[in-house]
Amino acid sequence: DAKTTQPPSMDCAEGRAANLPCNHSTISGNEYVYWYRQIHSQGPQYIIHGLKNNETNEMASLIITEDRKSSTLILPHATLRDTAVYYCIVRALETSGSRLTFGEGTQLTVNP
Amino acid sequence: SAVISQKPSRDICQRGTSLTIQCQVDSQVTMMFWYRQQPGQSLTLIATANQGSEATYESGFVIDKFPISRPNLTFSTLTVSNMSPEDSSIYLCSVEGLAGAPGQRNEQFFGPGTRLTVL
Repeated sequence: DAKTTQPPSMDCAEGRAANLPCNHSTISGNEYVYWYRQIHSQGPQYIIHGLKNNETNEMASLIITEDRKSSTLILPHATLRDTAVYYCIVRALETSGSRLTFGEGTQLTVNP
Repeated sequence: SAVISQKPSRDICQRGTSLTIQCQVDSQVTMMFWYRQQPGQSLTLIATANQGSEATYESGFVIDKFPISRPNLTFSTLTVSNMSPEDSSIYLCSVEGLAGAPGQRNEQFFGPGTRLTVL
């Protein structure tokens, strides 16, 4: 799986949009971009994933650049409960399932 | 999403003993995985639990140390054998391929984890 690079930490004001960047310059054509988050002392939570088109769900939006070498996860209105470590993962989907390779992630702190 | 439970939620064990962690899912799933998260670190995949056959282990993890069972499509166990303080970690179960949820076919869901401390 391709390697990802994320800033180790970011701060965001409550109510503002949180934009979390991820670089994945070696991504292959069959690899998806996944985002998970881990709130302290809990298991990781799936947020969103995409291949090349932008995606949106009830939690967040995922913007993938046209060359697919980077992406941004957007939390449109961050709350204190969004404070967590956010992991960007590049993953090839295989018929028998495939591993998630977690990097160090970005510690997002939402401040009041 | 699936409801995943793990037992125990935490334990404190003595060096040299073994602990079996259970993972139960509320619906049938295709894939089950076991991860380890050492203190202050990210998650590392231990193995894929295969139903009806031996688990598939990642580099650095062996069956003698981490035997895994998966007797059916909703349950798996991970045993941490002959424990040492270096085994102190959070152990997480995850699942993928929920039956009856084709829209979530490629989403992996995690259990709450088991926090293990080895003295």
